[in-house]
Amino acid sequence: NAGVTQTPKFRVLKTGQSMTLLCAQDMNHEYMYWYRQDPGMGLRLIHYSVGEGTTAKGEVPDGYNVSRLKKQNFLLGLESAAPSQTSVYFCASSYSYRGLAATDTQYFGPGTRLTVL
Amino acid sequence: SQKIEQNSEALNIQEGKTATLTCNYTNYSPAYLQWYRQDPGRGPVFLLLIRENEKEKRKERLKVTFDTTLKQSLFHITASQPADSATYLCALSEAGTALIFGKGTTLSVSS
Repeated sequence: NAGVTQTPKFRVLKTGQSMTLLCAQDMNHEYMYWYRQDPGMGLRLIHYSVGEGTTAKGEVPDGYNVSRLKKQNFLLGLESAAPSQTSVYFCASSYSYRGLAATDTQYFGPGTRLTVL
Repeated sequence: SQKIEQNSEALNIQEGKTATLTCNYTNYSPAYLQWYRQDPGRGPVFLLLIRENEKEKRKERLKVTFDTTLKQSLFHITASQPADSATYLCALSEAGTALIFGKGTTLSVSS
């Protein structure tokens, strides 16, 4: 099993350009998440999905859009990149955070380092 | 306001000693706490989970405690090794909500 994979690993954009980050998981997890990690700020949740076709906003959703057309894929889009979106982006997945036995243990991808000039 | 704080940004210890990392929270009622390890340039990796009704959990050289009265979790690595050098993140979740991560403590173990 590959676990959680992210594409691309690195990207440099100019202000105003758009791009899509792709996350794929092969663990049949229901839940998927996009985080950004900045120095001194820790991991912050951007958007998440509790199942195919559903998405929800996290702590810092502005400037990002997401889609979950297939259970195994979760896409993060930047429509008009800004320098403030320079960050490392992590995708994660988990089985579930609902129910008595649910623990929301998350499996993370390797990250995408994005620089916006 | 709600806060989750890992008290030390950096912790330096000698090989063989016990490393103790602290995670404090304010205005949360977590159903459980998790600890993750993150190496430079990599994604976090899950280590241990402890539920609100558990006092202590162990896994090999790792031990986690959870004190809901003090609103604190302690993460211990016994007989530490240079390979334990990494950033350790605590994360909590209230029932039915997404994980909230602390900013992490960077542990350096010198030989």
